[in-house]
Amino acid sequence: EVQLVESGGGLVQPGGSLRLSCAASGFTFSDHYMDWVRQAPGKGLEWVGRIRHKARSYTTEYAASVKGRFTISRDDSKNSVYLQMSSLKTEDTAVYSCARGFCGVGTCYVDYWGQGTPVTVSS
Amino acid sequence: DIQLTQSPSFLSASVGDRVTITCRASQGISSYLAWHQQKPGKAPKLLIYAASTLQSGVPSRFSGSGSGTEFTLTISSLQPEDFATYYCQHFNGYPLSFGGGTKVEIK
Repeated sequence: EVQLVESGGGLVQPGGSLRLSCAASGFTFSDHYMDWVRQAPGKGLEWVGRIRHKARSYTTEYAASVKGRFTISRDDSKNSVYLQMSSLKTEDTAVYSCARGFCGVGTCYVDYWGQGTPVTVSS
Repeated sequence: DIQLTQSPSFLSASVGDRVTITCRASQGISSYLAWHQQKPGKAPKLLIYAASTLQSGVPSRFSGSGSGTEFTLTISSLQPEDFATYYCQHFNGYPLSFGGGTKVEIK
């Protein structure tokens, strides 16, 4: 069974930093792209970024709203993906979830999501 | 960047109704579109990818269609467990993005 479990969320002051983790199990983690997505309270889903697998050199993509402030990394030996967040703003307050990518013809979708970890940015 | 506009944003329907949700893209995205279902307090669930391919385990009452800029998600006969919020998401280049969501509630 595919499982994705996020951790590391909490309360942080504006301008601060936080590192989120996502532990994966139930599948060959190293074969998959991984995404981060967030959902602000009462709002819709927002894509944060993606990290590809080793065969694609672990390259990353980011939403404009987080580019330059957030960094996605992964450790295939630990079946984990990370989201390093810095220069946090109040508008980054959200539940952050990781999601597993799978590649079809021409592109890579997401098929499993974690429950998420809440991040609150407030003074 | 590609914007996705879902309509309606809210829908009230009865069990057994046929429901259609539309997702329009600001530019052509071929068939690189997925539909997700989210229930309150739960992780989203993939229903359909590549615009019309049903994800394994998803009931056949769900179907998707469209290509280019206009897409639809149809539930042929709404069931009690289908009351949820539905999101489209494009995968045609970066940044990826979601539609604003359609909340389906019980009439």
